[in-house]
Amino acid sequence: DAGVIQSPRHEVTEMGQEVTLRCKPISGHDYLFWYRQTMMRGLELLIYFNNNVPIDDSGMPEDRFSAKMPNASFSTLKIQPSEPRDSAVYFCASRRRQGRTGELFFGEGSRLTVL
Amino acid sequence: AQKITQTQPGMFVQEKEAVTLDCTYDTSDQSYGLFWYKQPSSGEMIFLIYQGSYDEQNATEGRYSLNFQKARKSANLVISASQLGDSAMYFCAMREGSPGAGSYQLTFGKGTKLSVIP
Repeated sequence: DAGVIQSPRHEVTEMGQEVTLRCKPISGHDYLFWYRQTMMRGLELLIYFNNNVPIDDSGMPEDRFSAKMPNASFSTLKIQPSEPRDSAVYFCASRRRQGRTGELFFGEGSRLTVL
Repeated sequence: AQKITQTQPGMFVQEKEAVTLDCTYDTSDQSYGLFWYKQPSSGEMIFLIYQGSYDEQNATEGRYSLNFQKARKSANLVISASQLGDSAMYFCAMREGSPGAGSYQLTFGKGTKLSVIP
């Protein structure tokens, strides 16, 4: 079975540019999460969706960040305009509602560098 | 207060030896879940093991076991017979509440970098 697929794997951009990160969750998973990983702050939850509906976006740092999930198989995280402090690895993860453990399945991450 | 605390930024272990990675947590919920993930240098997050708050037995998955001490709010990961491929960052995480009640997100600790020495 295919895992969570993220693109791009690496993105280098200049300050002020728009960045769009993409995620395809595992088929059949009802929940999708966006996390950000930095050395200083570790792994932080940005937002998560249930059945394509945003449930908790309290972790989104500011209005420059937005996330959408137009259908069950696709989500985007957009940063506009980007700033150097947005440099991080952005992970997408998914899980299904059922199941005893409820572990998250992570993609390989998108490493963003804003110059 | 931090919900997940991993006090060891880095650890070294000799190949074939056992190693314990510490994790303490803070929650007032009675129902919760504890997870360990491995992140090798390639960057992906790999799920290792899960312990539910109502599980009476410590979880085990192959060479991984979770030393769950509920009263002390600790959930240490024990890796037996360390291998060179175990060198990685290890993250402890918690889900507060039960999944059936709508709790799904995980809160992660800052991680421990494990280095296995040949």
